[in-house]
Amino acid sequence: AQSVSQHNHHVILSEAASLELGCNYSYGGTVNLFWYVQYPGQHLQLLLKYFSGDPLVKGIKGFEAEFIKSKFSFNLRKPSVQWSDTAEYFCAVNGRGGSYIPTFGRGTSLIVHP
Amino acid sequence: ETGVTQSPTHLIKTRGQQVTLRCSSQSGHNTVSWYQQALGQGPQFIFQYYREEENGRGNFPPRFSGLQFPNYSSELNVNALELDDSALYLCASSQGGGGYNEQFFGPGTRLTVL
Repeated sequence: AQSVSQHNHHVILSEAASLELGCNYSYGGTVNLFWYVQYPGQHLQLLLKYFSGDPLVKGIKGFEAEFIKSKFSFNLRKPSVQWSDTAEYFCAVNGRGGSYIPTFGRGTSLIVHP
Repeated sequence: ETGVTQSPTHLIKTRGQQVTLRCSSQSGHNTVSWYQQALGQGPQFIFQYYREEENGRGNFPPRFSGLQFPNYSSELNVNALELDDSALYLCASSQGGGGYNEQFFGPGTRLTVL
């Protein structure tokens, strides 16, 4: 069975601060990895994804994530956050080789103060 | 381009009743996935329909069932409602089954079971 752990449930930052949200997964095989974001009052949307290749993945709005296979991690980063980055962030994993059954983490609530 | 729509927006049912939730996929999409999101938790995958066939199922009992129609819209049916079924039910559509194509989420249906 696969699982996802997001270590920080609530993060509060000031504008221009750097962001790193942790995500660790548990699965015995190859995985597809995702970060989703839900801005206040909006639908859940894809931020970035990793399937294969370069483990450093760039997404929308200046976000990036690094897949470290040895650590089973897929942390989300942004060098300088903006007030508009205030949102809920979800990490998700889907093990390959079988049916599509994604697992989402519990989510991290990010508040950025102007 | 019309996005993913869900109906109804809110629903209140009593324990033991049955409920049907509806989802219209985004234009051009042939795959619909359903998720349950309890308060303070990440989405939990219920199942996915690809070209009218179930293409993956999460850890939900058989009283959660679904359908996909030839126009790729979908229904989620829940029988014998329990209090723990109270949650936000999300629908997401994509072009292609599995998890390789970006999913576009709808606004959700908030189900309350009394």
